[in-house]
Amino acid sequence: EAGVTQFPSHSVIEKGQTVTLRCDPISGHDNLYWYRRVMGKEIKFLLHFVKESKQDESGMPNNRFLAERTGGTYSTLKVQPAELEDSGVYFCASSQDGWAQNTEAFFGQGTRLTVV
Amino acid sequence: LAKTTQPISMDSYEGQEVNITCSHNNIATNDYITWYQQFPSQGPRFIIQGYKTKVTNEVASLFIPADRKSSTLSLPRVSLSDTAVYYCLVGSISSGSARQLTFGSGTQLTVLP
Repeated sequence: EAGVTQFPSHSVIEKGQTVTLRCDPISGHDNLYWYRRVMGKEIKFLLHFVKESKQDESGMPNNRFLAERTGGTYSTLKVQPAELEDSGVYFCASSQDGWAQNTEAFFGQGTRLTVV
Repeated sequence: LAKTTQPISMDSYEGQEVNITCSHNNIATNDYITWYQQFPSQGPRFIIQGYKTKVTNEVASLFIPADRKSSTLSLPRVSLSDTAVYYCLVGSISSGSARQLTFGSGTQLTVLP
């Protein structure tokens, strides 16, 4: 069974450019989460999808970040325009049931974003 | 949000048992305790989850005292490949929101030969 897959694994872009990160969850998992770790900081929650709907997007830092999950399958996270402080590792996770309900969330390997 | 406190780092030797304790003094009644492991350049990986007393799986054991204000992850006979960061998370069932789960700083475990 394929795990959570993220593309690209690395991305280096200039300040002001746009970058789109993609996450393919485990097939059949309705719940999809985005997290990120900026340099030297803790892993922070960004948002949570249940199928194609945003269950909780309270962790999104600002309106330069846009997440979508068309058809309830894969998800994209777009940063436009990117700023230097957006550099970090972006993780995607998926789970069959809502996390913390005695279930397990599976993480992808992350996308390392560097804004120069 | 239930805040967790863990040691920043720990060293151990191969073959030893390692116990990592996490404090979560304001844990809520419905919160579960979950531990994740993370290797460099990889995403966090689920290890074990529990609510109270003791839970054991093929990888680790989780000890939770009656007051649930702390928990201890026990790794039996560690090997070099167990070198990783270990995170303790405390989450709410009632909210069902992943925002309630914060990773904290984690504990860097280094296993020495």
